[in-house]
Amino acid sequence: KNEVEQSPQNLTAQEGEFITINCSYSVGISALHWLQQHPGGGIVSLFMLSSGKKKHGRLIATINIQEKHSSLHITASHPRDSAVYICAVGDISSGDKLTFGTGTRLAVRP
Amino acid sequence: GAVVSQHPSRVICKSGTSVKIECRSLDFQATTMFWYRQFPKQSLMLMATSNEGSKATYEQGVEKDKFLINHASLTLSTLTVTSAHPEDSSFYICSARDRGVKETQYFGPGTRLLVL
Repeated sequence: KNEVEQSPQNLTAQEGEFITINCSYSVGISALHWLQQHPGGGIVSLFMLSSGKKKHGRLIATINIQEKHSSLHITASHPRDSAVYICAVGDISSGDKLTFGTGTRLAVRP
Repeated sequence: GAVVSQHPSRVICKSGTSVKIECRSLDFQATTMFWYRQFPKQSLMLMATSNEGSKATYEQGVEKDKFLINHASLTLSTLTVTSAHPEDSSFYICSARDRGVKETQYFGPGTRLLVL
C-alpha cells in the first residue's frame, strides 16, 4: 500500500505570497492528483500528472518520479485560494484506486 | 470539463431509515465509479469500487449489506445507506472514471449525511 505524506499540514500566508505544498509517496505510481476541497466539502480536481510539470492559471504542479515527490505551487496567492489541498496517488498495483494524503489546510489572509 | 453530480447535497434522516445517494456523470460515460467517505478533519477513505453491470468491490471493513451500491448504467451509480445510524453521519463523495481517458477521476461535490 502506498503511503502518502503531505507537508505542511497547515499553512497561513499573506495575500500575494508564493505558496508551495509538498507531497511524497512511497511506491511507484500510475498518476498523481492534486485536489482542492473548500469548506463546504466539494472537491475539485486541479491536476493529474504522471511526469514533468503542468500549469493552470496561478497554479503549477510538478512531479519528480525518481524522488517520488510532487509539489503544488500557487503564485500571487489570494484569500479565495483558502482551502484544503489534497494529494492523491494511484499506484500501479491497485489500478485506479487512489491513496490520499491527509491534506494541507491553507489560509490566505488579505 | 467533465462533470460529476451528486444528489442530494445534504440529507438529514432519522436513525433506522435508509438513504439513497446518486452519483451521475453528466457528459461522459463512466465504466467505473468510486465511493468515498470522509469524517471530519480526516482524509478520504475508499469504501467501494463500482463497475457498470457488475457487483461492487468493497474495501476491507466496509459492510456490503449496509452500503448497497448499484451501477446500473454508464452514467449513474447509487449508494444506499441502509438502516442508518448516527455513526454513519459523514461526507460521502463519489468519483467517476471516464471510459475513454485512462487514470482520470472526476469527483462529485459530495453529500453530507446527518443521522439523528
